[in-house]
Amino acid sequence: DAGITQSPRYKITETGRQVTLMCHQTWSHSYMFWYRQDLGHGLRLIYYSAAADITDKGEVPDGYVVSRSKTENFPLTLESATRSQTSVYFCASSEGQGWYGYTFGSGTRLTVV
Amino acid sequence: TQLLEQSPQFLSIQEGENLTVYCNSSSVFSSLQWYRQEPGEGPVLLVTVVTGGEVKKLKRLTFQFGDARKDSSLHITAAQPGDTGLYLCAGVSDKLIFGTGTRLQVFP
Repeated sequence: DAGITQSPRYKITETGRQVTLMCHQTWSHSYMFWYRQDLGHGLRLIYYSAAADITDKGEVPDGYVVSRSKTENFPLTLESATRSQTSVYFCASSEGQGWYGYTFGSGTRLTVV
Repeated sequence: TQLLEQSPQFLSIQEGENLTVYCNSSSVFSSLQWYRQEPGEGPVLLVTVVTGGEVKKLKRLTFQFGDARKDSSLHITAAQPGDTGLYLCAGVSDKLIFGTGTRLQVFP
């Protein structure tokens, strides 16, 4: 089915471990985004990508790494997970910047213990 | 840093009541979007308003963009339990800036 898929839906990891969250979209959208959603902070942009091999930092990029070797995939890696990275992570895609609407995945709930 | 403040933060009402959610900023945006998010899911786009003063209707939902393009409102007429969710406004500049959210609960 067309859409945007995130995996896993739930993940528990230990402090210091590396973990990768996957995002795959079938819309062929140019832009992809990673957000984290926390109570009291709303949705905050971590990284975004305008096209394959082009990525840029958002509001809260520290501790995260992204790559985009293919248009349809945009994985987010936590290099050494910390408890402060416990959150719900959303991937989104869009045809472009500006007034284009974003299509969001269903999210990954990550707990760092 | 551009900020979008939404009010109220929480709203709990009975089915059939009317309500208004506000989204305010000190910044001007080229356009503004409203999303609804249900538990366990990502936000879903409801509407985009582009012109200052613009009003858009989506069934029982009415969206308005302020004349100065700094604020917006969402009015729901005769709320239903299916309207329950988190409502997010998002200002459009070079990227989307999301508001703080309004959590709506409609009881039967």
